[in-house]
Amino acid sequence: AQSVTQLGSHVSVSEGALVLLRCNYSSSVPPYLFWYVQYPNQGLQLLLKYTTGATLVKGINGFEAEFKKSETSFHLTKPSAHMSDAAEYFCAVTAAGRRALTFGSGTRLQVQP
Amino acid sequence: DVKVTQSSRYLVKRTGEKVFLECVQDMDHENMFWYRQDPGLGLRLIYFSYDVKMKEKGDIPEGYSVSREKKERFSLILESASTNQTSMYLCASRGRQNSYEQYFGPGTRLTVT
Repeated sequence: AQSVTQLGSHVSVSEGALVLLRCNYSSSVPPYLFWYVQYPNQGLQLLLKYTTGATLVKGINGFEAEFKKSETSFHLTKPSAHMSDAAEYFCAVTAAGRRALTFGSGTRLQVQP
Repeated sequence: DVKVTQSSRYLVKRTGEKVFLECVQDMDHENMFWYRQDPGLGLRLIYFSYDVKMKEKGDIPEGYSVSREKKERFSLILESASTNQTSMYLCASRGRQNSYEQYFGPGTRLTVT
């Protein structure tokens, strides 16, 4: 079985500050990991993904995440927050041969002016 | 661009009614999914389908059924709607290729009164 834990249901940062959203996963097989973003009243949009290869992955809108196997983590970062980053962020896990994603409970990011 | 559309953005139904939520994708994807999203719980998988007329239960299938008569269309059915099925419903699709990422529709916010 796979699971995802997102630490912090709400995170608030100032505009221009570092964004760090935490994701830890549990998987008995090599994981494939995803971050999705959801803006108000919209569906989910893929930010970035890790399947194999380079452990530091870059996504859209200046976000990046690093796969750390030893820590079972896949934290999402952005060096400088923008007001438009305010949204809900979901971490998800799957594995080779699986069809479905398992999602975390989400982290709502607020960006203060 | 992959496009996943859902028949309604907002829906209000009465307890006991039969409810149909429709989802259509335009990328010839084999896999389609129905999730419900509730605050603090993230996305939970209700059902998915990996081919026409093929389906598998997800984590919370009770009270729901699905239909996939054509490859591009996946329907979620609430046989007898109840107030605890008030939620946001998200449809997603995924191809057979090894990218594993899912593409989401805009969601249907269902209220059962």
